[in-house]
Amino acid sequence: AQSVTQLDSQVPVFEEAPVELRCNYSSSVSVYLFWYVQYPNQGLQLLLKYLSGSTLVESINGFEAEFNKSQTSFHLRKPSVHISDTAEYFCAVRRKAAGNKLTFGGGTRVLVKP
Amino acid sequence: NAGVTQTPKFQVLKTGQSMTLQCAQDMNHEYMSWYRQDPGMGLRLIHYSVGAGITDQGEVPNGYNVSRSTTEDFPLRLLSAAPSQTSVYFCASTRGSGTGDEQFFGPGTRLTVL
Repeated sequence: AQSVTQLDSQVPVFEEAPVELRCNYSSSVSVYLFWYVQYPNQGLQLLLKYLSGSTLVESINGFEAEFNKSQTSFHLRKPSVHISDTAEYFCAVRRKAAGNKLTFGGGTRVLVKP
Repeated sequence: NAGVTQTPKFQVLKTGQSMTLQCAQDMNHEYMSWYRQDPGMGLRLIHYSVGAGITDQGEVPNGYNVSRSTTEDFPLRLLSAAPSQTSVYFCASTRGSGTGDEQFFGPGTRLTVL
């Protein structure tokens, strides 16, 4: 079985400051890695994913995440946050041979302050 | 496309009552899943379906039933509600099991069991 740990449950950050959300996973087999975002009172939306190839992946709204196989991590970063980035962020993994079953971390709530 | 829709948005039940949470998708997706979201625990898979007539258990299936008679609909039934089932429930769908296939989430149903 696999598990996902998000090390910070809440991250307050000032507008235009950088933010890093940490995600570590454990799995005995190869996995795909995902970050989802949940804005207040909404469902989850895919932010970015790592399937293969370059270990650095980017989203259209300025987030990036780097897959580090040796450290089993997939940390999410943004160099300058906006108020609109206030949301909860979930890291998730999916075993390569397990269809579409996702295992989620506990979530990190990001509060961007003006 | 409406995407993934869920009804109701909110529901309050008394212990022992039964009810059905509705989920529908109009994207002709094969895979559908039900998750529950609890604070600090992320999303946990309850049941999933890989196509009409085929369902299987996820991580936390006890107290829930599902069926998949059509591609579009995937209702979740609570047989005898308990306070431990107070949660936010999300339905999700995916086109298939391909590596790049994204899960699309509904807006959620907030359930309180008294």
